[in-house]
Amino acid sequence: EIVLTQSPGTLSLSPGERATLSCRASQSVSSSYLAWYQQKPGQAPRLLIYGASSRATGIPDRFSGSGSGTDFTLTISRLQPEDFAVYYCQQYGRSPRTFGQGTRVEIK
Amino acid sequence: QVQLQESGPGLVKPSETLSLTCNVSGGSISTYYWNWIRQPPGKRLEWIGYIHYSGSTNYNPSFTSRVTISLDTSKNQFSLRLSSVTAADTAVYYCARGDSFGFGELLTYWGQGTLVTVSS
Repeated sequence: EIVLTQSPGTLSLSPGERATLSCRASQSVSSSYLAWYQQKPGQAPRLLIYGASSRATGIPDRFSGSGSGTDFTLTISRLQPEDFAVYYCQQYGRSPRTFGQGTRVEIK
Repeated sequence: QVQLQESGPGLVKPSETLSLTCNVSGGSISTYYWNWIRQPPGKRLEWIGYIHYSGSTNYNPSFTSRVTISLDTSKNQFSLRLSSVTAADTAVYYCARGDSFGFGELLTYWGQGTLVTVSS
């Protein structure tokens, strides 16, 4: 099973700042089968990024993904109030599909 | 607009079987991959498995011995059965649609989730 480790656990930032979230895989994630999801309290996760760097439909361009192999990054260029949430990475190239433990982006 | 809605008992006794149904509206169930994911309190998301519209299934080995996911195309819904539950199975359970992407599936639409508590 591919274990995904996200860092940091919590990111405290102010609106307008840049957020950089990391996801490291225990094994290489084939063909960048890496996605990022956003989850707000009491809501289901929402797909943000797939294929490591492609934005899902309707996702603002302040969200960007990068990386390959075992190291991936989600960047939010200028945090908006609605971006404060928990972010999960997920690999969907091998079974079982697995998720990281999440990074909470909170208002400083 | 595609919508998914989970339903089922919110309380299940230890050793019994957890049964949930996901109703799909706004689109046909006769395509895509239909997934169950859960999130224990304070823990990460955990993929349970999926059923493809063709009927093939793929389960997380952590659940293989006690999980069944089935599809009812006539009702546009799919179901989860998890047997021999313990307190460790207490979680919010989500259903989600998986859109094929290469060899994998993107979880593009999710239900709101339903909390299932295992307790006597």
